[in-house]
Amino acid sequence: EAGVAQSPRYKIIEKRQSVAFWCNPISGHATLYWYQQILGQGPKLLIQFQNNGVVDDSQLPKDRFSAERLKGVDSTLKIQPAKLEDSAVYLCASSPTTAYEQYFGPGTRLTVT
Amino acid sequence: GENVEQHPSTLSVQEGDSAVIKCTYSDSASNYFPWYKQELGKRPQLIIDIRSNVGEKKDQRIAVTLNKTAKHFSLHITETQPEDSAVYFCPDRRALTFGSGTRLQVQP
Repeated sequence: EAGVAQSPRYKIIEKRQSVAFWCNPISGHATLYWYQQILGQGPKLLIQFQNNGVVDDSQLPKDRFSAERLKGVDSTLKIQPAKLEDSAVYLCASSPTTAYEQYFGPGTRLTVT
Repeated sequence: GENVEQHPSTLSVQEGDSAVIKCTYSDSASNYFPWYKQELGKRPQLIIDIRSNVGEKKDQRIAVTLNKTAKHFSLHITETQPEDSAVYFCPDRRALTFGSGTRLQVQP
């Protein structure tokens, strides 16, 4: 079974620029999560999708972050404009549904200079 | 909302000793209790989980115990090895909150 795919793996941008991350979950997984993990901290949920609907985006900074899940499969997370404090690893995870094992992708390491 | 507290925040043991990490939850409706391990520079991975209809689950050197009355569940690692060094997380059942985890260091 193929795992969760993410791209790019690394990205360096200047503050005020825009960036987008892509995630392809495990086939058949209805639930998709985006997390932000700052160095030394645990993953912080940004948004959770169930199929193509948003379940929870209470911690998503909506003035600069946006996310969508196309046709309930792939997802993109965008930051516009980026700030220095957005430097982190962005993890995508999927699961068959909620309250089940989450499978994490390798993450995208974002550096904002 | 659901709240999960994890203790200790750091744990150092000698190789071969046992390690125990405890999580306390507040939502009586919680029915799924996972443990994730994250090695340095890697992604979190599920190492063991338990559902509310069982009190204990084992997988080789790892076990999870659940006390629904006291609302806590614990991760037990026996015969610790250096490769067990990592950060361990017990997210709430909806995986909305991972917290800062427990940093386990196994000294060779």
